[in-house]
Amino acid sequence: EAGVAQSPRYKIIEKRQSVAFWCNPISGHATLYWYQQILGQGPKLLIQFQNNGVVDDSQLPKDRFSAERLKGVDSTLKIQPAKLEDSAVYLCASSFWNSPLHFGNGTRLTVT
Amino acid sequence: KQEVTQIPAALSVPEGENLVLNCSFTDSAIYNLQWFRQDPGKGLTSLLLIQSSQREQTSGRLNASLDKSSGRSTLYIAASQPGDSATYLCAHGGATNKLIFGTGTLLAVQP
Repeated sequence: EAGVAQSPRYKIIEKRQSVAFWCNPISGHATLYWYQQILGQGPKLLIQFQNNGVVDDSQLPKDRFSAERLKGVDSTLKIQPAKLEDSAVYLCASSFWNSPLHFGNGTRLTVT
Repeated sequence: KQEVTQIPAALSVPEGENLVLNCSFTDSAIYNLQWFRQDPGKGLTSLLLIQSSQREQTSGRLNASLDKSSGRSTLYIAASQPGDSATYLCAHGGATNKLIFGTGTLLAVQP
C-alpha cells in the first residue's frame, strides 16, 4: 500500500513569513494527525482529525497555527507568522481508529 | 501532566548482543503502549502495539512488555544487528489514540 505522503520535504523561511504543509494519508484511514518534532525530542501532537472533524487540538498554538482536512482526506497545516522556535520537523500520520499510526517522512522547517 | 521517560538516552552495543530499552510513564490510564523506530531523516515506523489488557507482544526478534501497575514498558531486542541502529521511541496511548512520546533511545549496533 502507498504510505503517507507529505510535501515539501524541506522548507526554509524567514521569521514572520507564512508556510503551509500538505499531507495525503493512507487510503481508508479516517484518523489523521499532525505532530511537531523538535530536534532531540519526541514528537508532540498538534492536532488530530477523525474524518474532517477535530478530535484534539489542545496543543495547537491557535494564534499562529491552523489546520484543515477538507472532505476528510488530504490535510494542510499552516503557520502564520512563523517564529524561530517553530523550526522543527512536522510529521503527518494516519491510522484506523485505535490502530498503529503510519507516519510520513515529514517536512523539515527552518525559520531564520 | 503525562510524562514519558526513556532510559538510556543512548546505547552502543556490539553486534549479536541482546539488549533492553526502558520506558516509564506517569499516567496509569493507558489504552495502549506503542514502540516506534525512527531512522535519520525519516518518519516513525510502528514496531509493536500492546493493548492495556495485554502483558506483551512479540514480532520477530522484538519483544515488548507492559506493566501498568508500575508504569513501565520494556523493548527487548534479541541478537542485535547493525541494521537495528536507529532511535527507538515509546509512546503512551490514551483514549482517542493520542500518543505522548518519550524522547527516545539512540541505539548504535557496532559490526
